[in-house]
Amino acid sequence: NAGVTQTPKFQVLKTGQSMTLQCAQDMNHNSMYWYRQDPGMGLRLIYYSASEGTTDKGEVPNGYNVSRLNKREFSLRLESAAPSQTSVYFCASSDPGTNYGYTFGSGTRLTVV
Amino acid sequence: AQSVTQLDSHVSVSEGTPVLLRCNYSSSYSPSLFWYVQHPNKGLQLLLKYTSAATLVKGINGFEAEFKKSETSFHLTKPSAHMSDAAEYFCVVSGGTRRSGYSTLTFGKGTMLLVSP
Repeated sequence: NAGVTQTPKFQVLKTGQSMTLQCAQDMNHNSMYWYRQDPGMGLRLIYYSASEGTTDKGEVPNGYNVSRLNKREFSLRLESAAPSQTSVYFCASSDPGTNYGYTFGSGTRLTVV
Repeated sequence: AQSVTQLDSHVSVSEGTPVLLRCNYSSSYSPSLFWYVQHPNKGLQLLLKYTSAATLVKGINGFEAEFKKSETSFHLTKPSAHMSDAAEYFCVVSGGTRRSGYSTLTFGKGTMLLVSP
């Protein structure tokens, strides 16, 4: 089925470890996004990529880096994980033709201990 | 800049009674507005969207929302709740312009809908 695929679905890290969350979409969308979801906070934008070759900071970028590898793939990297980064991470994509509605992946549940 | 306020963190209804989830927004642009639903341990699913066409928007599963510019509101309603409606609901406003070709979504903090038998 067409959509947004995130890997892994679950991950436990120790403080200070690094990891990369992967995201790929097969809808030929130009724009991709990374959000984090915390209880009572809704979803907050970490980084986004308006188009291939560009990335921009969102509301909560500290502690993260991103790479728009090609039009399909947008990865999120935690260089030195901290307990405050324990969260559920969602990747999304969009295209102007869809009136800015997003398609979300199923999420990555990350725990930093 | 845009922002969204969901006026209730939790709403409890009985099965078969009406649902009202309230949302106010603020936006510098003519906004696009959305409601998303998230069932426990699931991803987000688009319920409906307003994009400057009809002010009363119909979505999936019997939900609808009315855009009221004078009140800067976009409340979500359903005439009769079902047990399967129990979930968290997010009101969302879109920024950016069509000319720029992209937008970012700003989410409300969510309203948990509880449905009792």
